[in-house]
Amino acid sequence: AQSVAQPEDQVNVAEGNPLTVKCTYSVSGNPYLFWYVQYPNRGLQFLLKYITGDNLVKGSYGFEAEFNKSQTSFHLKKPSALVSDSALYFCAVRVMNSGYSTLTFGKGTMLLVSP
Amino acid sequence: NAGVTQTPKFRILKIGQSMTLQCTQDMNHNYMYWYRQDPGMGLKLIYYSVGAGITDKGEVPNGYNVSRSTTEDFPLRLELAAPSQTSVYFCASSYSQSTEAFFGQGTRLTVV
Repeated sequence: AQSVAQPEDQVNVAEGNPLTVKCTYSVSGNPYLFWYVQYPNRGLQFLLKYITGDNLVKGSYGFEAEFNKSQTSFHLKKPSALVSDSALYFCAVRVMNSGYSTLTFGKGTMLLVSP
Repeated sequence: NAGVTQTPKFRILKIGQSMTLQCTQDMNHNYMYWYRQDPGMGLKLIYYSVGAGITDKGEVPNGYNVSRSTTEDFPLRLELAAPSQTSVYFCASSYSQSTEAFFGQGTRLTVV
């Protein structure tokens, strides 16, 4: 069975400081990894994904994430946080295989950026 | 572009009532999904479909049914509403397993 862990319920950071939102995963096989963001009363919006290739993936709004196979992690990062980045962030994983595999989400991490 | 459209946005049901949550997408995606979101629990997959006429159960299918008669539409049916089904429901679609999913804006359902 595949699973995703987001160990922090909430991350607080001051505007202008770098931010990291942590994600670790467990799959049997090679993973597809995704980050989504959810603003209040809205659906999830795609930020970035790792399929294959470079371990550092760049996405929307200045976010990036680094795939680390040995640590089974896919942490979301941004060099300089904005107040408008405050939202709920979800990491998700599915496993690459010849059949169908479901997309499994973590429980989410609330990011609060203070002015 | 409309993307994924869900209706209604809000609904209050009495215990035992039934309803259908509508979902339609205009991106010609094969894959469609229904998730429920509960506070602190993330998203749980209810049902999914890999194409018209093909559906399968996700992690939490009990109390729900789906159909996929066309590529565009993937309605979710609640037959006998229970308070445990109070949640926010999201429909999503994707082109393939390696591409990102697009989400609707959600339906907030309260069962009283």
